Amino acid sequence: QVQLQESGPGLVKPSQTLSLTCTVSGGSISSDASWWTWIRQPAGKGPEWIGRVYATGTTGSTSYYSNPSLKSRLTISLDTSENQFSLQLTSVSAADTAVYYCARQLSSGRRDYFDSWGQGTLVTVSS
Amino acid sequence: DIQMTQSPSSLSASVGDRITITCRASQSISNYLNWYQQKPGTAPKILIYGASSLESGVPSRFSGSGSGTDFTLTISNLQPEDFATYFCQQSYNAPRTFGQGTKVEIK
Repeated sequence: QVQLQESGPGLVKPSQTLSLTCTVSGGSISSDASWWTWIRQPAGKGPEWIGRVYATGTTGSTSYYSNPSLKSRLTISLDTSENQFSLQLTSVSAADTAVYYCARQLSSGRRDYFDSWGQGTLVTVSS
Repeated sequence: DIQMTQSPSSLSASVGDRITITCRASQSISNYLNWYQQKPGTAPKILIYGASSLESGVPSRFSGSGSGTDFTLTISNLQPEDFATYFCQQSYNAPRTFGQGTKVEIK
């Protein structure tokens, strides 16, 4: 079973950049049919899908897709050598305060869901 | 974006009860609907995918049904460990979207 672990600062000042890394163990980040995903959840609310990144094992190319509501501020990247993927969200505000999860999205026909999650990391935007 | 609306937002039930949670999509999503369970301080856990397929290891008292825009999650013979918050999530298109959650509390 693949395991994921988020890391990064828990406190970010308004207008600055939020940066998080997810380390994957127990499996390769280059495996097929897996999208590596960021999801956040404000306190007391439902989860919000942020975006995902995909790596092809043969060519090493990556592609990612982000939530349109965050697209202009968001970058998701992948480091196959470290088996990690990262999130950068610029110009943060208090509205970005949430628990941030990294997760694996399986995508094979009807089997399209988030099957493995990190434990989550609380990021607070405050001066 | 496809909006997912759950009802009720919370419910109280007793051990042994049968409960039903409803999820409605703002447009047809065929059967691309997943259900998750979340306990305080932990990440969501997949229960049901494809509207009605039980994830491996999930007890058979959980079941899902529906297609198009209307879906249900049923828990029969509610157990103490089932008191949690449940979310639906559509996998029809991007961005993937979740419902706001249904909190199941002990009566």
